[in-house]
Amino acid sequence: EAGVTQSPTHLIKTRGQQATLRCSPISGHTSVYWYQQALGLGLQFLLWYDEGEERNRGNFPPRFSGRQFPNYSSELNVNALELEDSALYLCASRKGGSGYTFGSGTRLTVV
Amino acid sequence: QKEVEQDPGPLSVPEGAIVSLNCTYSNSAFQYFMWYRQYSRKGPELLMYTYSSGNKEDGRFTAQVDKSSKYISLFIRDSQPSDSATYLCAQNTGNQFYFGTGTSLTVIP
Repeated sequence: EAGVTQSPTHLIKTRGQQATLRCSPISGHTSVYWYQQALGLGLQFLLWYDEGEERNRGNFPPRFSGRQFPNYSSELNVNALELEDSALYLCASRKGGSGYTFGSGTRLTVV
Repeated sequence: QKEVEQDPGPLSVPEGAIVSLNCTYSNSAFQYFMWYRQYSRKGPELLMYTYSSGNKEDGRFTAQVDKSSKYISLFIRDSQPSDSATYLCAQNTGNQFYFGTGTSLTVIP
């Protein structure tokens, strides 16, 4: 069974640009979660999508947005990039009450 | 106060040592806890989950929850160099998980 896949692995953007990160959940998993892992801050919850709807949002500005497609894959968009957005962005999927299964992440570097 | 607090370490132990990793939590309403292990350049992987108080054992790993002190612990027996990683505790509140900042562990051969 394929795990959670994320693309790209690495992304380098200039301040002010937009970044798009993609995630494919495990087959059969309908919930997708996005987390930001910045150095020294641990995992910070960004967004939760389930059945195509945004179910919950963490304490991040509106320039962090996303969507979930009919096949349950998901996209995270970060607009007007700032230097402090540099982090590892992790996607996780989940089915029912099980724990998260994480992807390997996208390393976003803003210069 | 953060929902889940974790000592970031780093922690360095000799091979074969018993390792104790600890977290505290503030919200007693949710009693579902997890431990994740994260190797460098990888996403976290679920190690163990526990519900409410007591111990749960899986091989060399034991997870413990102490509701009275709001303390969760992970013990690793006979630690191996392959256990070198960052360990994250997490609390499941239903809508989302709250993670500790992670403890970096190095097991020296």
